Amino acid sequence: DAGVTQSPTHLIKTRGQHVTLRCSPISGHKSVSWYQQVLGQGPQFIFQYYEKEERGRGNFPDRFSARQFPNYSSELNVNALLLGDSALYLCASSPRDRTYGYTFGSGTRLTVV
Amino acid sequence: AQSVTQLDSHVSVSEGTPVLLRCNYSSSYSPSLFWYVQHPNKGLQLLLKYTSAATLVKGINGFEAEFKKSETSFHLTKPSAHMSDAAEYFCVVSFNAGGTSYGKLTFGQGTILTVHP
Repeated sequence: DAGVTQSPTHLIKTRGQHVTLRCSPISGHKSVSWYQQVLGQGPQFIFQYYEKEERGRGNFPDRFSARQFPNYSSELNVNALLLGDSALYLCASSPRDRTYGYTFGSGTRLTVV
Repeated sequence: AQSVTQLDSHVSVSEGTPVLLRCNYSSSYSPSLFWYVQHPNKGLQLLLKYTSAATLVKGINGFEAEFKKSETSFHLTKPSAHMSDAAEYFCVVSFNAGGTSYGKLTFGQGTILTVHP
């Protein structure tokens, strides 16, 4: 079985641009969460979606948005990129909205220049 | 509110010696606790999880952790370190409040484990 897949694996953007990151959960998993991991720190919670509804949001500005599609895949969008948005963005999926131990993807490395 | 503190940012051991990575948590409700490992340029892999069953939890690759409510600790141990254990380890807390969890995982700052030959 395929694990959590994220695309692209690496991305370089210029300040002020917009970026879309994509995530496909494990088959049968209905919950998807997004995390930002800045170099040298632990991941920080951005969003959780379950059954296409937003179930939680971390302390991130409105430039960050996300959505979940009927097939449970998800997109994370970031507008007006700042240098500080450079990070590893991790997607995780779980079978249901309770935390049974999320399975993480390998992440998208975003560099803003 | 919930938080987690990993007491050591770096731990260095020799191959074949025991590993101890320390973690303390704070949670207003009954917590779920996890340990994840991250190898360089890789995603996060779940080592083990505690979700209110047995307090001694066994995970993959010989790791185990003991939930001690009185000490609010969830330390990770392994009897004998292997070179392949070198990685960054994260202690993670979540909680169920009134039967509802929004799946937010709160990560510690991480402990980098170095294993010397």
